[in-house]
Parts: sequence; structure tokens; C-alpha cells
Amino acid sequence: SQTIHQWPATLVQPVGSPLSLECTVEGTSNPNLYWYRQAAGRGLQLLFYSVGIGQISSEVPQNLSASRPQDRQFILSSKKLLLSDSGFYLCAWSVQGYNEQFFGPGTRLTVL
Amino acid sequence: RKEVEQDPGPFNVPEGATVAFNCTYSNSASQSFFWYRQDCRKEPKLLMSVYSSGNEDGRFTAQLNRASQYISLLIRDSKLSDSATYLCVVNYRTGNQFYFGTGTSLTVIP
Repeated sequence: SQTIHQWPATLVQPVGSPLSLECTVEGTSNPNLYWYRQAAGRGLQLLFYSVGIGQISSEVPQNLSASRPQDRQFILSSKKLLLSDSGFYLCAWSVQGYNEQFFGPGTRLTVL
Repeated sequence: RKEVEQDPGPFNVPEGATVAFNCTYSNSASQSFFWYRQDCRKEPKLLMSVYSSGNEDGRFTAQLNRASQYISLLIRDSKLSDSATYLCVVNYRTGNQFYFGTGTSLTVIP
């Protein structure tokens, strides 16, 4: 069966520090991968999605970036965090050609 | 206008009650529709896909109305464990673009 991992589960970072969040998927090949952010009391916002290694589409201009160095690995990064980057970051995957998405456990980021 | 809109609630219902949520979407090109459930401080989990003909899974029934651009979720015989936030999700076939509603909060009361 497929599983999706995210780490860390929680993170507290100072403003201006870098960020690296990792997501890996097991049990499937060539998945679509997604990064979302959920701010407190708000809906999920799609940040990036990827249909293959090295292929990244950005949905929202911001100081975040994403990379997909391997088929089942998706990384979210920032060089300098802002206060507004605080939120619940969720990675998701779906089978190519199908639309049901499955989410990882998420990383709760607080920027102070 | 938001792509997907939901009544945030909260809906507080007694055990055994029937409750219905609606969700409207703005883009008529939308092709796929889903309901997700999200428990407090947890990730969303797929509850059910919504098919054109409507579909049922136990106590849960989902309906799609393309003419009026809304989907609905009906929960019968509510259980305490149904307490959660229910997210409506819409996808456009032309891209990998998923739009989530802000969710409807449900609390089932003993």
C-alpha cells in the first residue's frame, strides 16, 4: 500500500531563517505531488505541484520554492522565512491520470 | 469571487440527526469533485468522490448539480465520530488545479 511521509511534524523558526521541508511517497511510481499551505482558520492553498522529476509548477508567487530531485521526493524550501509563512504545510500525492489526492501528516510551521 | 464556497457553520447536531452541507463552485469547466474530512490539527482525508449520478457510501450521500454548480453531502444517523470539518474540493481537468473550500465545521452532540 502507498504511504506518504513528511517531516518534521512541527517546526519553530525565526524570521529570516531558511526552511527545508521534505515529503516522500512509498508504494507508487511517478505520482503527481503537491504542496499546500493551510493558514489558521483558512482553506488549503495550493503552492506547487509536480508531474515528474524536475518539473515544478508554481501556483502562488512567494518566497518559497519547490524541488523534486527524485521520483517520490518533494522538497519545499525558503531562503528567508517571513512571519506570514507560518501555517500547516501539507504534501499530497495522486496517481497520474486520477484526481483523488492523499495527504501526508503535515508540518506545522511557526515563524517568530 | 472564490472558486469554491462553503458555509463555515458551525453545524451542531444531536446524535442520530441528518445533516446536509452544500458547496458551490464558480467555474463551469470543473470536472472532478470530492469531499474530504479534516479532524482538528490533522491532514485532510478523502471521504468520497462525487460522481455525476450521485453516490452513496453507507451513511454518506454525495450529489452533484452541474446546472446550479453545487455539490452536496448528506450524513444520516450522525455519530459522535462524525465531528470534523468537511472540505469541498473541485478540480479542473485542464490542469492539476485543485481548489479547496474553507470547510464546514460539524459537531455531533451526545
